[in-house]
Amino acid sequence: EPEVTQTPSHQVTQMGQEVILRCVPISNHLYFYWYRQILGQKVEFLVSFYNNEISEKSEIFDDQFSVERPDGSNFTLKIRSTKLEDSAMYFCASSERSGRAGANVLTFGAGSRLTVL
Amino acid sequence: SQQGEEDPQALSIQEGENATMNCSYKTSINNLQWYRQNSGRGLVHLILIRSNEREKHSGRLRVTLDTSKKSSSLLITASRAADTASYFCATDFLGNTGNQFYFGTGTSLTVIP
Repeated sequence: EPEVTQTPSHQVTQMGQEVILRCVPISNHLYFYWYRQILGQKVEFLVSFYNNEISEKSEIFDDQFSVERPDGSNFTLKIRSTKLEDSAMYFCASSERSGRAGANVLTFGAGSRLTVL
Repeated sequence: SQQGEEDPQALSIQEGENATMNCSYKTSINNLQWYRQNSGRGLVHLILIRSNEREKHSGRLRVTLDTSKKSSSLLITASRAADTASYFCATDFLGNTGNQFYFGTGTSLTVIP
């Protein structure tokens, strides 16, 4: 069964360092997402991406964050200068279609755990 | 916030019993979905119910939706130890592109063998 893959599974970084989290969405999916989950808390929407541009973003997704689809397969989340509060599990997800086109089911990766020291 | 809120936050039952989790949300929606998350893993889609549907079944899962009350429930019948996980409802609210799903805080279900 097709799956979303994420790397690294765990990254430890020093505060102020840049981090890039990588995702390979399902190949025929057109919509890509990043979510984060602080340990034991709710799953928070960060950003959605379609047709090589941001579709929607939350207030969490400030100037420290950026997303990119550098080639036909990867989808990356960059945090420019990490803060302690960025420590969380970051989930990538993809979907085949937009919600407006019909039911929009997200397929999630296993997540990348980011620890900022 | 459009995010859903599940209750209870935690639920512990014996294997074979039924588990019911509830979700409330704040704005009109296109669809509501339930996802499951095993500890330390990603979320897995369980079932979707459209805003014009009232009830849906999938195996041992039964979902209801009451749009007048802005609430949904997930019933897992004849629970098994393997059902132990966190369960989240997710809504995409009417009027936006549908590309922004809001997840609730989750219900942590423990099924005791």
